[in-house]
Amino acid sequence: GAVVSQHPSRVICKSGTSVKIECRSLDFQATTMFWYRQFPKKSLMLMATSNEGSKATYEQGVEKDKFLINHASLTLSTLTVTSAHPEDSSFYICSARSLRLAGKADTQYFGPGTRLTVL
Amino acid sequence: DAKTTQPPSMDCAEGRAANLPCNHSTISGNEYVYWYRQIHSQGPQYIIHGLKNNETNEMASLIITEDRKSSTLILPHATLRDTAVYYCIVRVEGYSTLTFGKGTMLLVSP
Repeated sequence: GAVVSQHPSRVICKSGTSVKIECRSLDFQATTMFWYRQFPKKSLMLMATSNEGSKATYEQGVEKDKFLINHASLTLSTLTVTSAHPEDSSFYICSARSLRLAGKADTQYFGPGTRLTVL
Repeated sequence: DAKTTQPPSMDCAEGRAANLPCNHSTISGNEYVYWYRQIHSQGPQYIIHGLKNNETNEMASLIITEDRKSSTLILPHATLRDTAVYYCIVRVEGYSTLTFGKGTMLLVSP
């Protein structure tokens, strides 16, 4: 149980285009979802936190107009990188958390990640 | 959240126990110790967490010292597939953010 999926796993796009990444909790309802970014040989950096039905909370230094997050349902969150540039190339990882998972309350589960390359 | 200190890298022979240490000397009374690992180019995987009692599950054991200032993650019989970066994180249960440090790169060799 507690599986999180991401789609696509890998995407290559041209500079200036927008890219949407989907994150789904497959077997539980995620009250909160998180988006992280990881550059090569670096640790994960939290970008934003979103609760279902409300606006995302962005970490300092993360542009909310560039990284659009939508958490429209308890099983789906999307991250849209708008007007992507080469410096946005990174590994994007989502995470989901539910207070309702019996015995595993408050544990975060992570998706497999999406590798974005902007040319 | 309190910060943690982990060795940057460790080696382990396949089949042997891997003991990964973590120091969290400024941990507060309501902070849990969480362990995750990240295999190359994958998302982090939850391993185990605990407050003050030792914990065991199908993946690993977590030993927390009585003063809670340090802990050890034990993989009882390491395999090549256990090669990964292991992260020790302390946080208050119910507080949303997991903050990742640099972790320990565990290399399991034949």
